[in-house]
Amino acid sequence: GAVVSQHPSRVICKSGTSVKIECRSLDFQATTMFWYRQFPKQSLMLMATSNEGSKATYEQGVEKDKFLINHASLTLSTLTVTSAHPEDSSFYICSASDGGGAQGNQPQHFGDGTRLSIL
Amino acid sequence: RKEVEQDPGPFNVPEGATVAFNCTYSNSASQSFFWYRQDCRKEPKLLMSVYSSGNEDGRFTAQLNRASQYISLLIRDSKLSDSATYLCVVTPVYSGTYKYIFGTGTRLKVLA
Repeated sequence: GAVVSQHPSRVICKSGTSVKIECRSLDFQATTMFWYRQFPKQSLMLMATSNEGSKATYEQGVEKDKFLINHASLTLSTLTVTSAHPEDSSFYICSASDGGGAQGNQPQHFGDGTRLSIL
Repeated sequence: RKEVEQDPGPFNVPEGATVAFNCTYSNSASQSFFWYRQDCRKEPKLLMSVYSSGNEDGRFTAQLNRASQYISLLIRDSKLSDSATYLCVVTPVYSGTYKYIFGTGTRLKVLA
């Protein structure tokens, strides 16, 4: 159980293009999903926390108008990189938890990731 | 100081060896701890949660030392397939939505 699917797995596009990435929890409902970015040889950095039915919470330094997050249902969150530029090229990964309660002791399960290359 | 620190390695060990990694964290009130493994250009996969009393899963043993604020991962009888980057994850208690804080990862190479 606890499968998270992410699509697409690879995107190559021109500078100025907007790119939409989908994250789906396949066998559980995820009230909260998370979006991360990972640059080569670096760790995962949390970009934002996506809450179903409400606005996402962005980490410091992440532009909310640049990275649009929509969490329209309990099984789907989307990240749109608007007007992407070469510096936005990175590995974007979503995650979701199938529980957590107030203590947050349930592990997060990650999607396959999306490798974004902006030319 | 980083919130979660790991020795980046790489740790090069022969097959069958025992290897241990440590991870230190700065927030003494951190609540949950996990080890994930990440293969090159892939997503992280949960290896094991870390419990206060320590826990074991086959060849893998995880320990938590709250007094010294570190967690450890011990791998016995290393296999070639254990080669990966091992990520330490800490969940600070001040975070209402239990955000993950990742370490930079420790690279392990198991050599034939």
